[in-house]
Amino acid sequence: GIQVEQSPPDLILQEGANSTLRCNFSDSVNNLQWFHQNPWGQLINLFYIPSGTKQNGRLSATTVATERYSLLYISSSQTTDSGVYFCAVEAGRRALTFGSGTRLQVQP
Amino acid sequence: SAVISQKPSRDICQRGTSLTIQCQVDSQVTMMFWYRQQPGQSLTLIATANQGSEATYESGFVIDKFPISRPNLTFSTLTVSNMSPEDSSIYLCSVFLGQGTDTQYFGPGTRLTVL
Repeated sequence: GIQVEQSPPDLILQEGANSTLRCNFSDSVNNLQWFHQNPWGQLINLFYIPSGTKQNGRLSATTVATERYSLLYISSSQTTDSGVYFCAVEAGRRALTFGSGTRLQVQP
Repeated sequence: SAVISQKPSRDICQRGTSLTIQCQVDSQVTMMFWYRQQPGQSLTLIATANQGSEATYESGFVIDKFPISRPNLTFSTLTVSNMSPEDSSIYLCSVFLGQGTDTQYFGPGTRLTVL
């Protein structure tokens, strides 16, 4: 099956800093989504981005499908950005395959 | 988008018992899935819940341990049977709406602790 790798596994930032999270995948995909899992376990949809670039406030994402990677940018980070960020891909079965996640801690 | 609810939100259960988790969606959906997230880990697909037929299970998951029902296009249940402490996880349902969008949406999860 398709493999999804995320980096870095852990990230500690000071409030106000910027960061880039990376997701590599091993095969062509129909769907790529970024999620934020908050401390209560809720998965929050950030982006549906199988290709191209999208922005939503302080967050933006870029997927280069031909090179099989996606990047999530967080600018001017806030303590509420803390949590785990997951990249997940779908390659023909509709179900998602998740990466191992990046655990982000933003310190005040 | 879709509004998804799960019941219960959390539970603490004794070894050897079973728990049924419910997933309700506010609209008819094409596909529903059940995932497990063990402590500190990523999400793993348990099965695809098929409306009107048996669920399709992933490698490592069996129907006797995780029976699934999907009686209609808005509702599904997952039962965790004969539980052991290793079943302590967050269980999440997700839906694929179809209707021109490939975005998948997740319920709030059920946090299960087995003693």
